[in-house]
Amino acid sequence: DGGITQSPKYLFRKEGQNVTLSCEQNLNHDAMYWYRQDPGQGLRLIYYSQIVNDFQKGDIAEGYSVSREKKESFPLTVTSAQKNPTAFYLCASSRAVVLGLTEAFFGQGTRLTVV
Amino acid sequence: GEDVEQSLFLSVREGDSSVINCTYTDSSSTYLYWYKQEPGAGLQLLTYIFSNMDMKQDQRLTVLLNKKDKHLSLRIADTQTGDSAIYFCAERARGSQGNLIFGKGTKLSVKP
Repeated sequence: DGGITQSPKYLFRKEGQNVTLSCEQNLNHDAMYWYRQDPGQGLRLIYYSQIVNDFQKGDIAEGYSVSREKKESFPLTVTSAQKNPTAFYLCASSRAVVLGLTEAFFGQGTRLTVV
Repeated sequence: GEDVEQSLFLSVREGDSSVINCTYTDSSSTYLYWYKQEPGAGLQLLTYIFSNMDMKQDQRLTVLLNKKDKHLSLRIADTQTGDSAIYFCAERARGSQGNLIFGKGTKLSVKP
């Protein structure tokens, strides 16, 4: 079954710790994205990557970092510099933008809570 | 800048039609999308419409697009309790990024 997998589903972080959220896709998609969802805020773009070894900041990149060493994988690290990290994080992937319709497929999300 | 606006809540009775409205700002958007999110889950693509179309129908779903007013709507016929979810309207960001710009989502509550 083709799809996009996020892990873990729930994650707890202590103040001052870095944590890494995993996102893997087997859809052969070139582009991958990380969004943050807060209640009543919709989805806000953190980082995106259109090709391996390249990524760009989105609207709220401060306190986050990513890597794209493999086409299938786009992990997100929430660093201690992110002052309010408690949120629901969604990873998505899509075909290359130049192909037109960029229907995005989403993972099931990771709920991060600071304790 | 680009922005997508939706009302936050809609409540309907089971069996009625639901209409969720959305306005967007980027007149160059080629595709517009509707996504559904159930509690604690990711987003699921429901349907999309190409900008040269006025209407698209897919079973119980009807999408209407008014390009002049930059208005998009999603009609769900014979709404069921299983349709209770948050519905997001989205347009693709201008330029080459490819990411989608989402509205804040409309929470649809279906009462039996």
